Amino acid sequence: DAEITQSPRHKITETGRQVTLACHQTWNHNNMFWYRQDLGHGLRLIHYSYGVHDTNKGEVSDGYSVSRSNTEDLPLTLESAASSQTSVYFCASSLSGVNEQYFGPGTRLTVT
Amino acid sequence: KNQVEQSPQSLIILEGKNCTLQCNYTVSPFSNLRWYKQDTGRGPVSLTIMTFSENTKSNGRYTATLDADTKQSSLHITASQLSDSASYICVVYLPGTASKLTFGTGTRLQVTL
Repeated sequence: DAEITQSPRHKITETGRQVTLACHQTWNHNNMFWYRQDLGHGLRLIHYSYGVHDTNKGEVSDGYSVSRSNTEDLPLTLESAASSQTSVYFCASSLSGVNEQYFGPGTRLTVT
Repeated sequence: KNQVEQSPQSLIILEGKNCTLQCNYTVSPFSNLRWYKQDTGRGPVSLTIMTFSENTKSNGRYTATLDADTKQSSLHITASQLSDSASYICVVYLPGTASKLTFGTGTRLQVTL
């Protein structure tokens, strides 16, 4: 069955380290998205991609980067982790346009 | 101020009872409005979708309504089950842009015996 997966599911890292969170989908969806979810906030968009080699900044992109070298993967990199980036991160994908976004299981990241 | 406000923030009900969750939005126009269910430790999963012109949509024991005049949506859960314990998130999809979703902060529902 087609799916969207994230790894790792849990990560603890130290301030200043570079961290990469993986997202892989097997639906052959063009669009992929990264969100963070924090208490008191709705999901907030970090970065998104409409296709291979396309990347765009979302509303909370500072300190994060993404790259899209193939259809299936959109890794999220924290260049120098900060305590403010402690959060739960969700990857999502959609076929195109305003079709439903399907979410991965999430990665809980703790920056100490 | 969030453009999608949900109430209540949390709710505890007895198994078998009905409940209604509210979503007020200021985003307009929109392509569609969805209710998502998010189990603890999981990603959100879509329950219902309504376009601007639809008033109601059902998915089993879940019924969503939409009043475009008052900019309100509700999710009614009938004969609640323990498995309904989750967060319910109202999401507005803006037209034409796949990236423009506005999320509510969710209602945390707990169904108890």
